[in-house]
Amino acid sequence: NAGVTQTPKFQVLKTGQSMTLQCAQDMNHNSMYWYRQDPGMGLRLIYYSASEGTTDKGEVPNGYNVSRLNKREFSLRLESAAPSQTSVYFCASSGDRGREKLFFGSGTQLSVL
Amino acid sequence: DQQVKQNSPSLSVQEGRISILNCDYTNSMFDYFLWYKKYPAEGPTFLISISSIKDKNEDGRFTVFLNKSAKHLSLHIVPSQPGDSAVYFCALRNAGNMLTFGGGTRLMVKP
Repeated sequence: NAGVTQTPKFQVLKTGQSMTLQCAQDMNHNSMYWYRQDPGMGLRLIYYSASEGTTDKGEVPNGYNVSRLNKREFSLRLESAAPSQTSVYFCASSGDRGREKLFFGSGTQLSVL
Repeated sequence: DQQVKQNSPSLSVQEGRISILNCDYTNSMFDYFLWYKKYPAEGPTFLISISSIKDKNEDGRFTVFLNKSAKHLSLHIVPSQPGDSAVYFCALRNAGNMLTFGGGTRLMVKP
């Protein structure tokens, strides 16, 4: 009954460091998403993957890359972290029916110093 | 320029009273409207939704109202309970099947 699992839960980086956020879902969903949440800004879409093997940019993709490793896993990579990437990151998935009803992971709190 | 706005960052309500959360949008192409609820240290969870062909949808204590001419969406919670204390996001779907979220409203229900 895990749903969407994200790791790590917390991370502190120095400017210029790189890291990968991992996400896995066990609901056999085709679509997966990465969002960031900033105060007063709601959730903004970084990248999404409508199906295994495809990825597309969302609203705020600059500074990020993604990999849809298989149907279950969708990772987000920061190649050279910047303080502007300090945020809470959420991974989500959705099925083919009701794709707007997203299932979210519990989030990763990232601080870039 | 934000297409979806929740103009009240926070709202405090007494237990048992009605909570009304509001959401305004500018793009008339949105066709499906949702509310998500978020507790601290958790991801958002889907709460209730409404299609653009309706003006009201009810689920227990939660009712969503849509006024398309005013481009206004609202969520009513009655009666409010302390467990309803959370951040509420409205989310609107466009023709590309992507969601645009509002900035969120923090609801505090006082016992």
